[in-house]
Amino acid sequence: DTGVSQDPRHKITKRGQNVTFRCDPISEHNRLYWYRQTLGQGPEFLTYFQNEAQLEKSRLLSDRFSAERPKGSFSTLEIQRTEQGDSAMYLCASSLGWGSDSPWYGYTFGSGTRLTVV
Amino acid sequence: AQRVTQPEKLLSVFKGAPVELKCNYSYSGSPELFWYVQYSRQRLQLLLRHISRESIKGFTADLNKGETSFHLKKPFAQEEDSAMYYCALRMNNNAGNMLTFGGGTRLMVKP
Repeated sequence: DTGVSQDPRHKITKRGQNVTFRCDPISEHNRLYWYRQTLGQGPEFLTYFQNEAQLEKSRLLSDRFSAERPKGSFSTLEIQRTEQGDSAMYLCASSLGWGSDSPWYGYTFGSGTRLTVV
Repeated sequence: AQRVTQPEKLLSVFKGAPVELKCNYSYSGSPELFWYVQYSRQRLQLLLRHISRESIKGFTADLNKGETSFHLKKPFAQEEDSAMYYCALRMNNNAGNMLTFGGGTRLMVKP
């Protein structure tokens, strides 16, 4: 297992086009997270999955954004009708998690997908 | 709502000098605090957690609930410490383990 993989590394798209990103987490991690990071800012939470269930979505995640994790393994994040404001680094992370009382050792992040909307 | 503030965007020190990266938070509950680091051309990775009370690569951080701070310190900076540092908060009983990050501080250690 080589850690969390994200594909593609870079994506340039024209405004109004749809884009889809993929994340492959560490295989034994049951939780998968999507974050967005704009220039000069820290990562901002978008959504997370426990196995195949999407349990939380941020208000940052507009109706144009949709995420799936169909078999509890890899996940996709789709942005429809992209806007210039969507330009950012999209980070995926995975972790083990099974309850609020359990020890938690932090995320393992992927390298991210940098989206540029022109 | 919870918030994490890192007041310095850039901190520049000479090798061997002490380093303190500031982090302040606002949260009404009992938080867990973390420091993440991103070296050049590498992915974001966990540096340390307040509950572990550990020292990693010579860095320590103490949670001060009275001052709502979690500053990262190292007595003698090394050039390889140059990186982006992010402070992050996890809410107590946050079963989802979502993190709220600060804006980050770029540490530059000059020779």
